[in-house]
Amino acid sequence: NAGVTQTPKFQVLKTGQSMTLQCAQDMNHNSMYWYRQDPGMGLRLIYYSASEGTTDKGEVPNGYNVSRLNKREFSLRLESAAPSQTSVYFCASSVRQGPDTEAFFGQGTRLTVV
Amino acid sequence: QKEVEQNSGPLSVPEGAIASLNCTYSDRGSQSFFWYRQYSGKSPELIMFIYSNGDKEDGRFTAQLNKASQYVSLLIRDSQPSDSATYLCAQRRGGNTPLVFGKGTRLSVIA
Repeated sequence: NAGVTQTPKFQVLKTGQSMTLQCAQDMNHNSMYWYRQDPGMGLRLIYYSASEGTTDKGEVPNGYNVSRLNKREFSLRLESAAPSQTSVYFCASSVRQGPDTEAFFGQGTRLTVV
Repeated sequence: QKEVEQNSGPLSVPEGAIASLNCTYSDRGSQSFFWYRQYSGKSPELIMFIYSNGDKEDGRFTAQLNKASQYVSLLIRDSQPSDSATYLCAQRRGGNTPLVFGKGTRLSVIA
């Protein structure tokens, strides 16, 4: 069972470069999320998609864009990378967003911007 | 102020002891609470969730919720070195909202 798959696992970017982080889930989940995790900061929500065709900003959306390509895929784009975007990025999905619904996480993408 | 507060630790307990991890939240609209475990370099994985006042037990783990005090805790009985990890508390409001996480508490179980 693949679950939530993120690509790439590691990436080094130069300041100003752009890139897209890919996420795909095979659990037929409706909702998908992008979080970033920095030391001492926990998981912070960047963007989420409650269902196919919708996206909403989270706590830290500046500098990012997202696309819910279809029900399976949710990508995160950095248009002009900055050192402050050095972080570990996690994609997650859940079948819905009810009070008892857990989120399943991908293995993470470790991004370094130099 | 972050909506979900946790002591960052590290919390050190001897093997076989009870580890108590605590979490407070500010949003009275929060309906459910989740505990995730995250090993170093790995992704978070769910331990358990709770949305009713009181205790909920699952094996060596017990989650406790007190909505009046806005307080959630996770007890780990008979702690093992393999329990050494960061524990993340998360809350979800009702309806169509995502999980909001605390900063996590690092637990170290000493053999």
